[in-house]
Amino acid sequence: KNEVEQSPQNLTAQEGEFITINCSYSVGISALHWLQQHPGGGIVSLFMLSSGKKKHGRLIATINIQEKHSSLHITASHPRDSAVYICAVYYGGATNKLIFGTGTLLAVQP
Amino acid sequence: KAGVTQTPRYLIKTRGQQVTLSCSPISGHRSVSWYQQTPGQGLQFLFEYFSETQRNKGNFPGRFSGRQFSNSRSEMNVSTLELGDSALYLCASSLGRLAGGETQYFGPGTRLLVL
Repeated sequence: KNEVEQSPQNLTAQEGEFITINCSYSVGISALHWLQQHPGGGIVSLFMLSSGKKKHGRLIATINIQEKHSSLHITASHPRDSAVYICAVYYGGATNKLIFGTGTLLAVQP
Repeated sequence: KAGVTQTPRYLIKTRGQQVTLSCSPISGHRSVSWYQQTPGQGLQFLFEYFSETQRNKGNFPGRFSGRQFSNSRSEMNVSTLELGDSALYLCASSLGRLAGGETQYFGPGTRLLVL
């Protein structure tokens, strides 16, 4: 069964803290996406990964293909980082669809 | 470049009615995907259109359908609405197909309420 699991479901941090959000998937994938959703619904694509590591500003995303695991890190967190972070994996082949994790609700307090 | 636009932004319908939602992708993007988001189920994939053809479909009943026009604009239709269809419907566009791992650009969504 193609599943995506995220942890933690909820996370509260103090401004400046280093944050890690984890995503695990069940079988081989073609690509993994990290998305950010602010209150009100708007979704922004942060990263697309098929291997290795990507960095954009204070955000870093890594993927370990052998362990079927990805992490999203936020360095020097800020209250504006408060949002829901969603992992999504694209299963190719017969499945051929994008499957989403349940999301991690992050609140960064000043 | 203008972003992905969706119309209408809000919609109220009653059970049994049908609804059509519209999505205009970013200029030059050929793939449009549709998603449903509910508090209980989270985000779920509905279908992807590329070059006017449905390329893949999620686990939704046949009441959910769509199409894509030659200018890449897409519409999604839900017939015989049920209360459980109340959700935020999002579309996203990308240059190439989902299978290619393309970055998705999401629209603001259409919030549908079925009474």
